Amino acid sequence: EAGVTQSPTHLIKTRGQQATLRCSPISGHTSVYWYQQALGLGLQFLLWYDEGEERNRGNFPPRFSGRQFPNYSSELNVNALELEDSALYLCASLRRAINNEQFFGPGTRLTVL
Amino acid sequence: GDSVTQMEGPVTLSEEAFLTINCTYTATGYPSLFWYVQYPGEGLQLLLKATKADDKGSNKGFEATYRKETTSFHLEKGSVQVSDSAVYFCALIDTNAGKSTFGDGTTLTVKP
Repeated sequence: EAGVTQSPTHLIKTRGQQATLRCSPISGHTSVYWYQQALGLGLQFLLWYDEGEERNRGNFPPRFSGRQFPNYSSELNVNALELEDSALYLCASLRRAINNEQFFGPGTRLTVL
Repeated sequence: GDSVTQMEGPVTLSEEAFLTINCTYTATGYPSLFWYVQYPGEGLQLLLKATKADDKGSNKGFEATYRKETTSFHLEKGSVQVSDSAVYFCALIDTNAGKSTFGDGTTLTVKP
């Protein structure tokens, strides 16, 4: 069974630009969570998508947004990038009917210059 | 809101020493509790979990018990190995409420 995949692996942008990060969940998983892991810090919950809808979001400004597609893959968009957005962005998927275990992807390292 | 407080690191131990990494939480609802591990250069992977009070999760010699009375989920291992060197994250996840809260992580280094 293929794991959670994320693309790109690395992304370099400049301040004010937009970034798009992608996540493909494990087959059969309908929920996708997005996290931000800044250097030296823990995981901060960003967004939760389930069955194509945004169900919850963390304490982040509206320029962090995303969507989930009919095949349950997901996209995270960050507009008007700021230097402090530089971080590892992790995606996790789970199958809600089974248990609460989240399976993590390898992450996208976003660097804002 | 929900929160998770982990023991601050880094923690450095000698091989075969006893390990405890403290984790306490505050939560509404009925979350499940998890320990995730991140080995150097790798992604997060589940180490163990407990879904209700008094449940004990265990894996690879690690154990943690979901204690509602002390709101704790401390991670323990009787004899650590060099290969246990990693960052450990305590997490509280309530899927029904869409809440997912991670601690800041504790870096463990085990020296031979």
